Amino acid sequence: GAVVSQHPSRVICKSGTSVKIECRSLDFQATTMFWYRQFPKKSLMLMATSNEGSKATYEQGVEKDKFLINHASLTLSTLTVTSAHPEDSSFYICSAREQLYNEQFFGPGTRLTVL
Amino acid sequence: KQEVTQIPAALSVPEGENLVLNCSFTDSAIYNLQWFRQDPGKGLTSLLLIQSSQREQTSGRLNASLDKSSGRSTLYIAASQPGDSATYLCAVGNNDMRFGAGTRLTVKP
Repeated sequence: GAVVSQHPSRVICKSGTSVKIECRSLDFQATTMFWYRQFPKKSLMLMATSNEGSKATYEQGVEKDKFLINHASLTLSTLTVTSAHPEDSSFYICSAREQLYNEQFFGPGTRLTVL
Repeated sequence: KQEVTQIPAALSVPEGENLVLNCSFTDSAIYNLQWFRQDPGKGLTSLLLIQSSQREQTSGRLNASLDKSSGRSTLYIAASQPGDSATYLCAVGNNDMRFGAGTRLTVKP
């Protein structure tokens, strides 16, 4: 099956700093990628849809200036958490949509801890 | 807006039992429905994907069914094992995917 990677898998940062998370589709091209957030013992909540070559579409309640998304190529989307706050601590998961079968493949997730 | 509900929220069974997890969704205009497994602190493992034109999918001891008209899917696990203990998530796909809150399964030896 198709593989999606995320880097880093785990990051700890200080309040006020910015953190960049990468999502890569390794063996297929994805014009659309998605970013999800998961709080402990909760389900995945869609944050935004990342479209290659255009602006991301954010879900209601998600601050676009805080969670910057860049989909610069058909295999890479990045999520930058700006001016991180302890409330941003969460598990962030990306997915990439394979167009032929319209199936999404998920990355292994990135655990962000903001001190 | 698509809403996905999973029942029960938690389930504890003795080893060897057959069990059914339920998923319901409000908007039947979907591309597909997918069942995932998530172990504590880990990412998602895809179990079964059912396209909108399909009624069910099987993999080993797992069988998932889809009834679009009623907005329901079930995941059947046969002869459960302690290794099946995890949270099972149902996700409904259209332009994006919407997840249910999950069922936390514990299989006791």
